[in-house]
Amino acid sequence: QTVVTQEPSFSVSPGGTVTLTCGLSSGSVSTSDYPGWYQQTPGQAPRTLIYNTNSRSSGVPDRFSGSILGNKAALTITGAQADDESDYYCVLYMGSGIWVFGGGTKVTVL
Amino acid sequence: QVQLVQSGSEVKKPGSSVKVSCRVSGGTFNSYSLYWVRQAPGQGLEWVGRIIPILGTTNYAQKVQGRVTITADKSTSTAYMEVNSLRSDDTAVYYCARAYDVVVPAAMGVWGKGTTVIVSS
Repeated sequence: QTVVTQEPSFSVSPGGTVTLTCGLSSGSVSTSDYPGWYQQTPGQAPRTLIYNTNSRSSGVPDRFSGSILGNKAALTITGAQADDESDYYCVLYMGSGIWVFGGGTKVTVL
Repeated sequence: QVQLVQSGSEVKKPGSSVKVSCRVSGGTFNSYSLYWVRQAPGQGLEWVGRIIPILGTTNYAQKVQGRVTITADKSTSTAYMEVNSLRSDDTAVYYCARAYDVVVPAAMGVWGKGTTVIVSS
């Protein structure tokens, strides 16, 4: 079974830039996998940041951007702020109506 | 704006069943995929399944196939997820989410607040 991979954790300084990635245990990620990115803080429901690789959800600041970098989907946070400290999850479409989430990346801002 | 209103918390015995509801208000229901995602305590998000109400089409994660049934009532804009033969590892917060667009495939867009299901003897 295909596994969606994410970095377990990342640390970024306030005002800094961090790029999180979302890959496949076998194969490359492309726009045809319709990558989505979600932010979640403890005790809260996920919040949609990015859908369809690089489309920002309504109300999401433009410091969040999505792309394909090499063979992975990527979420870049430019000018990180304290309230960006969260867990970030990607999801990929596997075909036949099936989606799979990555394990999530915990981002610390310090 | 679109809101997804989920049913309240449940405590169930192992081997029993639970049915969680998700009502869509302020937006279109029939044409959008409606997803169920769960999160066990301290764990990540896990995609469970989805339904396209206008078609009645359902898809499930392999892990829950055969134990989970997702249905939709178009007259009340409500989706349901029933989990049978509950086990302790079904203990989780269950979220419903509507796709961001009517096109297929389209990932999760708007999320409900979640329903806690605890399975304990």
